[in-house]
Amino acid sequence: LAKTTQPISMDSYEGQEVNITCSHNNIATNDYITWYQQFPSQGPRFIIQGYKTKVTNEVASLFIPADRKSSTLSLPRVSLSDTAVYYCLVGDIYNQGGKLIFGQGTELSVKP
Amino acid sequence: NAGVTQTPKFQVLKTGQSMTLQCAQDMNHNSMYWYRQDPGMGLRLIYYSASEGTTDKGEVPNGYNVSRLNKREFSLRLESAAPSQTSVYFCASIPFWGRRGETQYFGPGTRLLVL
Repeated sequence: LAKTTQPISMDSYEGQEVNITCSHNNIATNDYITWYQQFPSQGPRFIIQGYKTKVTNEVASLFIPADRKSSTLSLPRVSLSDTAVYYCLVGDIYNQGGKLIFGQGTELSVKP
Repeated sequence: NAGVTQTPKFQVLKTGQSMTLQCAQDMNHNSMYWYRQDPGMGLRLIYYSASEGTTDKGEVPNGYNVSRLNKREFSLRLESAAPSQTSVYFCASIPFWGRRGETQYFGPGTRLLVL
């Protein structure tokens, strides 16, 4: 199983771009990289997913280098409402619903 | 379409009591999961069911049992609750493998307090 490592916490200010990096040195060929956001007292919510290169949606971008041993979630112009815990999940999500293990997450605090 | 539902929302147990946490999804998903989240911590996988009729252990299965009753429902049972099982329990589901772009959908959680 691909183990993930993320910074425990990060601080930012409103309007800034935030980049959160996740290390996954033993990622397997079939593994996808998925990022989730979790607010207090709620279940995690899907943000973005990718396999390689760059993926962008309406809320974030995901950068994955060629060796896929890390990935970076980029949140453009954060607001106070982006204060949450962000999890990087690496797994063979499409293989019969495999064992999906979360890392410790990054607690992002956005200040005014 | 209610997504993933969990019952109860909150439960208080005494040490040694038993209870079953219920989870149901109405999205016709194949795989279902149970996670626990202790205060200030990340999610840890307890058990998962890749498809109807199969269950497998996750990271922290001790003290728990699961039943995949049918495709919709996946229950988690605590036979003899311990204070160390005080946590928030999240159920999640995922569609059939091979569908690109899909991911896990999480329920709202069950808060369990064991005294």
